[in-house]
Amino acid sequence: GDSVTQMEGPVTLSEEAFLTINCTYTATGYPSLFWYVQYPGEGLQLLLKATKADDKGSNKGFEATYRKETTSFHLEKGSVQVSDSAVYFCALRASGGYQKVTFGTGTKLQVIP
Amino acid sequence: DGGITQSPKYLFRKEGQNVTLSCEQNLNHDAMYWYRQDPGQGLRLIYYSQIVNDFQKGDIAEGYSVSREKKESFPLTVTSAQKNPTAFYLCASSKEEVTEAFFGQGTRLTVV
Repeated sequence: GDSVTQMEGPVTLSEEAFLTINCTYTATGYPSLFWYVQYPGEGLQLLLKATKADDKGSNKGFEATYRKETTSFHLEKGSVQVSDSAVYFCALRASGGYQKVTFGTGTKLQVIP
Repeated sequence: DGGITQSPKYLFRKEGQNVTLSCEQNLNHDAMYWYRQDPGQGLRLIYYSQIVNDFQKGDIAEGYSVSREKKESFPLTVTSAQKNPTAFYLCASSKEEVTEAFFGQGTRLTVV
């Protein structure tokens, strides 16, 4: 079945450091890929998405590129802020009619001043 | 504003009691989902529904029940058969032709 694997956290960075959170997936066909962010005590918010190979999703300084050859969708940000501290989830939705969304286990990011 | 509303935000239940979590959306979405989140873990799918009066079990449906009598509403009942119900519950919805899911703010259920 479909699956998403994320790097384990927590990830601790100093403010203005470069961020990479790795995400790889297993799915048949051409899934859509997502990054969601969850702040403490809240639901998930969509951060960015990509729906086909080589697409780059971007939002609020975060980027991720859909790499079909490596089945990856790594999240990057050039300069993190304290306000980016949250849990980040990689997810996929398989193609071909209606499909459920499958999530990774989440990566907690802590940014220190 | 369109969105998904979960209520209550916090819920306490005595052992052996059933409890129902509410989820309402005004996004005109066809599909709705319930996920469970435990500390340090990802989201696990409990039930999902693609259309009114139809729903399917997810990965951890045992001890839970749902109904989908209206497009806007997808309540989740946590029954006494659920052995470890303390968790954070998230409801989500999506439009079939739009791929991303939108989430509510969650309900934290604690068994006392």
